[in-house]
Amino acid sequence: GQNIDQPTEMTATEGAIVQINCTYQTSGFNGLFWYQQHAGEAPTFLSYNVLDGLEEKGRFSSFLSRSKGYSYLLLKELQMKDSASYLCAVRGDSNYQLIWGAGTKLIIKP
Amino acid sequence: DSGVTQTPKHLITATGQRVTLRCSPRSGDLSVYWYQQSLDQGLQFLIQYYNGEERAKGNILERFSAQQFPDLHSELNLSSLELGDSALYFCASSAGTPAGNTIYFGEGSWLTVV
Repeated sequence: GQNIDQPTEMTATEGAIVQINCTYQTSGFNGLFWYQQHAGEAPTFLSYNVLDGLEEKGRFSSFLSRSKGYSYLLLKELQMKDSASYLCAVRGDSNYQLIWGAGTKLIIKP
Repeated sequence: DSGVTQTPKHLITATGQRVTLRCSPRSGDLSVYWYQQSLDQGLQFLIQYYNGEERAKGNILERFSAQQFPDLHSELNLSSLELGDSALYFCASSAGTPAGNTIYFGEGSWLTVV
């Protein structure tokens, strides 16, 4: 079957760095997405990786290894507003469907 | 603002009733998705339309149905509502092509069934 695994919850300190991991097993691969979702709000797009390597976008970076079925989202200089759930999603086959992870709830402490 | 518009934002209705949620995709997007998210739960994919045609179906109950109209807006119909249907319903859209495959979400419709 198709599966995406993320840690359920992580805690980090304001100003620090945190890495949220995502492993996937899908039939085919056509890209991996990271979204941020604050409680009760819509998910917002953070990053997209389709080739191996690191994509940097400000304080956020996303890494992909297709051979390992692995990605991570790196958040630097954490701010209190980064407290949210982070969703990993993979487009597995060619019909443009996304397979969603359950999300990682990130708690930032002062 | 993602450009995806959903109405209504909040809805309270009784068990057994029927409601319709409406979605206007981003300008130029041909693909519309519907998701359900119960409290503290993950996103559950319901159904996807592309340019008026159903493209994929997820965990959508038989009591639920959807359609996409020629102007590309979409409606999700929920009938014979049960307490467990209370959730946040998101519509999302994308261009539906390999080059434009990022999904953008609307703000959601909060449905409370009492």
